[in-house]
Amino acid sequence: EDQVTQSPEALRLQEGESSSLNCSYTVSGLRGLFWYRQDPGKGPEFLFTLYSAGEEKEKERLKATLTKKESFLHITAPKPEDSATYLCAVRGNTGKLIFGQGTTLQVKP
Amino acid sequence: DTGVSQDPRHKITKRGQNVTFRCDPISEHNRLYWYRQTLGQGPEFLTYFQNEAQLEKSRLLSDRFSAERPKGSFSTLEIQRTEQGDSAMYLCASPTVTDTQYFGPGTRLTVL
Repeated sequence: EDQVTQSPEALRLQEGESSSLNCSYTVSGLRGLFWYRQDPGKGPEFLFTLYSAGEEKEKERLKATLTKKESFLHITAPKPEDSATYLCAVRGNTGKLIFGQGTTLQVKP
Repeated sequence: DTGVSQDPRHKITKRGQNVTFRCDPISEHNRLYWYRQTLGQGPEFLTYFQNEAQLEKSRLLSDRFSAERPKGSFSTLEIQRTEQGDSAMYLCASPTVTDTQYFGPGTRLTVL
């Protein structure tokens, strides 16, 4: 059964304090690993898609990496506006997205 | 703005009532997904349409739930005889040809 586990569940950082979020997955036939950002009361906002081990994508202070078993979302010098819940999802042979429970990030000024 | 719209944004109803939500996907996207998200959890797949055909349904979708996509454009999700456990955010997603799913703002359902 396809499964995604994210850690930690919650993360508090000071502004400028870099860190990483983890997404461990098991999937039959990976057809994409997706990172989304979700603000309270809103729908998930697409950030990145990764397709194969070794692939990396960057956007502003965020960088996503992928291995055969996990993905990391690295946040460099975060700002308070980066505070949100970050969701990881995989798309397997079934086509639908399987999400983790998310990591809630709070960045304090 | 992802181009996916959902209506209403919020719905408060009493237990036992029927509710219907609408999703308008990105124009000309032929696939459409519905997900449900409860507090502190990631979205969970409910059902999937390709054009007007409903191709897959989750076991989460009990007999009280029904979804339609007439003419392959907008979609509706109806919940009959709502229960308190139905309280959640209902999300609609419109995938691109590369399978990136863009989500709407969601409909927050509260069942009293």
